[in-house]
Amino acid sequence: KAGVTQTPRYLIKTRGQQVTLSCSPISGHRSVSWYQQTPGQGLQFLFEYFSETQRNKGNFPGRFSGRQFSNSRSEMNVSTLELGDSALYLCASSLRQDSMNTEAFFGQGTRLTVV
Amino acid sequence: GQQVMQIPQYQHVQEGEDFTTYCNSSTTLSNIQWYKQRPGGHPVFLIQLVKSGEVKKQKRLTFQFGEAKKNSSLHITATQTTDVGTYFCAGSSGTSYGKLTFGQGTILTVHP
Repeated sequence: KAGVTQTPRYLIKTRGQQVTLSCSPISGHRSVSWYQQTPGQGLQFLFEYFSETQRNKGNFPGRFSGRQFSNSRSEMNVSTLELGDSALYLCASSLRQDSMNTEAFFGQGTRLTVV
Repeated sequence: GQQVMQIPQYQHVQEGEDFTTYCNSSTTLSNIQWYKQRPGGHPVFLIQLVKSGEVKKQKRLTFQFGEAKKNSSLHITATQTTDVGTYFCAGSSGTSYGKLTFGQGTILTVHP
């Protein structure tokens, strides 16, 4: 069974640009969550999509957005990049049911560097 | 908003010593999960605790969920060099299933 696939693995962008990251969840998983990981702030929740709907949202500015497609694949977009957006962006998929969390499977992440 | 504090931030042990990391939440949790992240890797799920006072064991690892569902701990008996990594707790509360609030993690170093 294939794991969670994130592309690209590494990305270098310039301040002010925008970036789109992609996540393909494990087959059958309808929930996809995105996290930002930095040495200073740790793992911070960005948002979760379930059946193409954003179900939960973290405390990030509107420059961070996402979407989920009918095949459960998800993308996140960051516009007007800032130096502080440099981080490892992790995607996690799960079989999450409506009233219960289940095990989250993380992808390898996309390492974004903003220069 | 919900905060999850985890201590200690770092722990250095000699191989064979025990290790414990603690998690405290500012709010009552619906459930708590534990993850391990090896250097250069991604978080890997270890376990989920749901019930008040729950204790679960996985070989040398013992996980506890507090009676008030606001704290949790992970204890490793007789550490091995393969235990090296960062251990995170992650909780969710209320009806925010799918939104995990992670602790800062405890970085474990095991000296042979």
